[in-house]
Amino acid sequence: GENVEQHPSTLSVQEGDSAVIKCTYSDSASNYFPWYKQELGKRPQLIIDIRSNVGEKKDQRIAVTLNKTAKHFSLHITETQPEDSAVYFCAAPRGDMRFGAGTRLTVKP
Amino acid sequence: EAQVTQNPRYLITVTGKKLTVTCSQNMNHEYMSWYRQDPGLGLRQIYYSMNVEVTDKGDVPEGYKVSRKEKRNFPLILESPSPNQTSLYFCASKWGQGGVNSPLHFGNGTRLTVT
Repeated sequence: GENVEQHPSTLSVQEGDSAVIKCTYSDSASNYFPWYKQELGKRPQLIIDIRSNVGEKKDQRIAVTLNKTAKHFSLHITETQPEDSAVYFCAAPRGDMRFGAGTRLTVKP
Repeated sequence: EAQVTQNPRYLITVTGKKLTVTCSQNMNHEYMSWYRQDPGLGLRQIYYSMNVEVTDKGDVPEGYKVSRKEKRNFPLILESPSPNQTSLYFCASKWGQGGVNSPLHFGNGTRLTVT
């Protein structure tokens, strides 16, 4: 499996602010980087992913950036809303799928 | 509807009484996996399977068994459950064998309590 470190473990922001979660990985051959969101009491669901042939991908208020040289990728959420409050997980799989430890994001209204 | 189905959703049992949590997917996915989720510990992988009759240990396999006799099913077996296996369990599947990466689809989870 792949070692993935995720930071921070908790993040609290005011509604409307931006939030950034970062993951670092160790296997330079990793080429796919997904982010999952898990709302309270629900299953994790994919919100965005990126492949190694691009450096950034955006979907409305959510974006992921990838730095293959430094082996880290980040989730950016702009104009945060209370419904963004959840736990977010990253992964850097190579066939197998193991996750970072998760970040609990709280958006205060 | 494409989905991963886990049963049961909730289960309360006693120490030592064998149980099976079923997982089935209708997407013809090669890869299936089991995770447990405990407060503050994220998603920890128990076992995974790259294809039929191929299973491998994840990070926390002790006390669990799995089998992959058919592509669609990947049951999780606790031969002798103990209280430290009280947790929320997720089954998941995705397209592709080893080295092919694609999004993971999760079941709705099974909340297991062992007394």
